[in-house]
Order: sequence, then structure tokens, then C-alpha cells
Amino acid sequence: DADVTQTPRNRITKTGKRIMLECSQTKGHDRMYWYRQDPGLGLRLIYYSFDVKDINKGEISDGYSVSRQAQAKFSLSLESAIPNQTALYFCATSDPGTSANEQFFGPGTRLTVL
Amino acid sequence: GEDVEQSLFLSVREGDSSVINCTYTDSSSTYLYWYKQEPGAGLQLLTYIFSNMDMKQDQRLTVLLNKKDKHLSLRIADTQTGDSAIYFCAIETYGGSQGNLIFGKGTKLSVKP
Repeated sequence: DADVTQTPRNRITKTGKRIMLECSQTKGHDRMYWYRQDPGLGLRLIYYSFDVKDINKGEISDGYSVSRQAQAKFSLSLESAIPNQTALYFCATSDPGTSANEQFFGPGTRLTVL
Repeated sequence: GEDVEQSLFLSVREGDSSVINCTYTDSSSTYLYWYKQEPGAGLQLLTYIFSNMDMKQDQRLTVLLNKKDKHLSLRIADTQTGDSAIYFCAIETYGGSQGNLIFGKGTKLSVKP
């Protein structure tokens, strides 16, 4: 079974709709991240959380919010989706105590906003 | 702020060596990374190098680090079609971000048979 899972894997929505992307992990890691990937722009950090009570903005947090419901769950919400939020979204986890502080990525959610 | 630059595309023939280059601006990273993204998948750590090393070899992979020039490279020997993927260079960022990663834009490696 995958250690980091994301739901849904694909989503098409309309401008103005509220969308929630969910991430779950079984790795027991405290740190979780949300990134978006756009062609030619690489990965950009949206939000990150170092434990259940910790939420931090990343490079591009405007238009997004997150909720860390438990150590294993980290959700990303788009309160009112707009077309330029069409992208591939990745959740990741890490444990600074592991070798080289490796980040482990989910399979991604492809979001299209019409 | 910190920046990581890498070329967007590289095309090689099967059996040749591939060299993917990366330059960065922040030199405080303890580790420097290469992540691989296969089509339709998330990123996976391919290899990394500790900042006090110049070179790391792992089977077909060789990582070279030139801290003076802030240059990191990944060499893949005997490149195979299965190596076709996007390769991301990444460094750690400290200060307020406490060890988050900054990724380059990714180099898409195409391997022709």
C-alpha cells in the first residue's frame, strides 16, 4: 500500500467552487507539505505543517487554506477556485530524523478549473 | 531569496551518458538532492549529496558538487529508456523555513533508442 495517498486523483471543477484536496500518510511523519506543479515552473510550496498544531504559509499561499486534522491528514482547500489554479498538486511528508531529511511524495491530484 | 536553476530539456541516445546541471544561490544547504519524477507519478528521491562532499557515486549515478561555483550535476551512465523522466535539483532552505526544500524547474530527460 502507498505510504502517502491523495484524493481525488483527478478533479474538474468550475470557477468559484470550493474544492478540498485530501492527503493521508501512514509513515508516521510529523511534517507535511502541499506543493503545486506547473509546466516549466517546477514545484512551488503552498503550505507546510511541522506538527498538528503548526501551519505555515509557503511561497504561494494566496487563494489556498489548509487543515491539519491529525498527524496523518493534511487537507488543502481552494475557497473559490479560479482557472489559474489549474495545476498538479502534490502532498509530501518528511521526518527530519531520517536519512538526509528526504521528502516522500503522494501520486498527485490533477485539478482543472474551468 | 534562494533560487535553483536548471535547463528544461535534455535529449540523449540510449547507452550514452546524461549530464544534468543545476546552479543555486543559497550555500547553507546541508544536503543537496536529485529527485526523479516518472510520467504520471509523484517525485521520488533519486540521490543526494552531503554538502561537505565533492562527489558521490551510486551505481550508474554520479553526483558532483562544486560549492565554490554553487554547481551541482547528476551524471547517469549508460542511459536507458527507463531513465526518461523529469529530474529536479533541490536544496534545503533555512532561516524561517526550517529546512524546507527549494526545487529547480526540472529537466526533462528524453532517451532515444
